[in-house]
Amino acid sequence: AQKVTQAQTEISVVEKEDVTLDCVYETRDTTYYLFWYKQPPSGELVFLIRRNSFDEQNEISGRYSWNFQKSTSSFNFTITASQVVDSAVYFCALSEGAQKLVFGQGTRLTINP
Amino acid sequence: DSGVTQTPKHLITATGQRVTLRCSPRSGDLSVYWYQQSLDQGLQFLIQYYNGEERAKGNILERFSAQQFPDLHSELNLSSLELGDSALYFCASSVGSHRPAPNEKLFFGSGTQLSVL
Repeated sequence: AQKVTQAQTEISVVEKEDVTLDCVYETRDTTYYLFWYKQPPSGELVFLIRRNSFDEQNEISGRYSWNFQKSTSSFNFTITASQVVDSAVYFCALSEGAQKLVFGQGTRLTINP
Repeated sequence: DSGVTQTPKHLITATGQRVTLRCSPRSGDLSVYWYQQSLDQGLQFLIQYYNGEERAKGNILERFSAQQFPDLHSELNLSSLELGDSALYFCASSVGSHRPAPNEKLFFGSGTQLSVL
């Protein structure tokens, strides 16, 4: 069965610090997709990134970077030089053959000024 | 703004009642998904429709039903409501395909907050 674990329930850092959000997944499939979504205080879920199981290249987008390691079934998300606007709940999710997302429990990130 | 519209934003009702949540997908999207977000269960997939037909089903209770209409908007009906049904209900949409496409990016609405008293 698919499972996504985000062990960090809450993280609080001071602005400009780097922070890494952990995501560990379980799946029996060889083909799957991993996602990160952001849920800001306004409530809607915003897509951040998608990665397929055959692409282990790390990705950087501005201050955001993602580290996909198939050997450890992890897809971690790092925010460099964090800003107050990064405060949100971040969800890691997994999708296999069935067209549905299985979400982790989320990590609430608070960036303090 | 994701382009997905959900109404109403807030709904307060009593146990035993029935409510209907409405979702309009992004223009051009054929797939609609419903998710429930609660404190104890987290974000759970309920059901997906593609171009009017049910495509996938998750942990949706028998008291809940959904449909997608010819104009592609969708409604989620919740009946015989219980206290435990209080949650944030999200609708999401994607371009969709007649074949399952697990790599699709979903666009979420801002949700309907349901409170059952």
